[in-house]
Amino acid sequence: QQQVKQSPQSLIVQKGGISIINCAYENTAFDYFPWYQQFPGKGPALLIAIRPDVSEKKEGRFTISFNKSAKQFSLHIMDSQPGDSATYFCAASSAGGTSYGKLTFGQGTILTVHP
Amino acid sequence: DAGVTQSPTHLIKTRGQQVTLRCSPKSGHDTVSWYQQALGQGPQFIFQYYEEEERQRGNFPDRFSGHQFPNYSSELNVNALLLGDSALYLCASSLDRDFTDTQYFGPGTRLTVL
Repeated sequence: QQQVKQSPQSLIVQKGGISIINCAYENTAFDYFPWYQQFPGKGPALLIAIRPDVSEKKEGRFTISFNKSAKQFSLHIMDSQPGDSATYFCAASSAGGTSYGKLTFGQGTILTVHP
Repeated sequence: DAGVTQSPTHLIKTRGQQVTLRCSPKSGHDTVSWYQQALGQGPQFIFQYYEEEERQRGNFPDRFSGHQFPNYSSELNVNALLLGDSALYLCASSLDRDFTDTQYFGPGTRLTVL
């Protein structure tokens, strides 16, 4: 029940295209959903996060869409650039509950943007 | 504004040895969490420290222990190392009063157990 399932495992997109990564969760107590970007040899960097009281959040080229009834959320990267090539992780936690502080991560998506 | 720092960057140990990893949180943060990231996997939560006490713990054996100091820095100790402990160990810091669970990660310590 604590799992977060992420897909696809890898994604290849042309420069200027839209990258879409999906995540699904089971624990209905989760109430905080961040996305992290990780480059090789580096720690994960927080990209954008959402709470279930909104269905969409946009920051620059990055958008999170959230579907509470389906227990799914996704990351959309508009106008994808070669510099976006990295591994992306979705995560979830129960920030207001007993698992506060415990981020549960998806398995990761390796994004490659071709020039 | 200094971000999360970790030391050392890389470490090589042999089976059965003990290791200590160190973390300094982002300026102004009071909470430190530790994660283990195996190659090709997402980070796995080990534990979190707040007010010098372990507040949350993931599914890791007692060989993994930690400490938080009054200046909020933290150590992760692993005893009786196994080959399977080889991984990138990540430290993340956050502000408890934030109530958003926003965690910022350091660059990690790459541990190799031979």
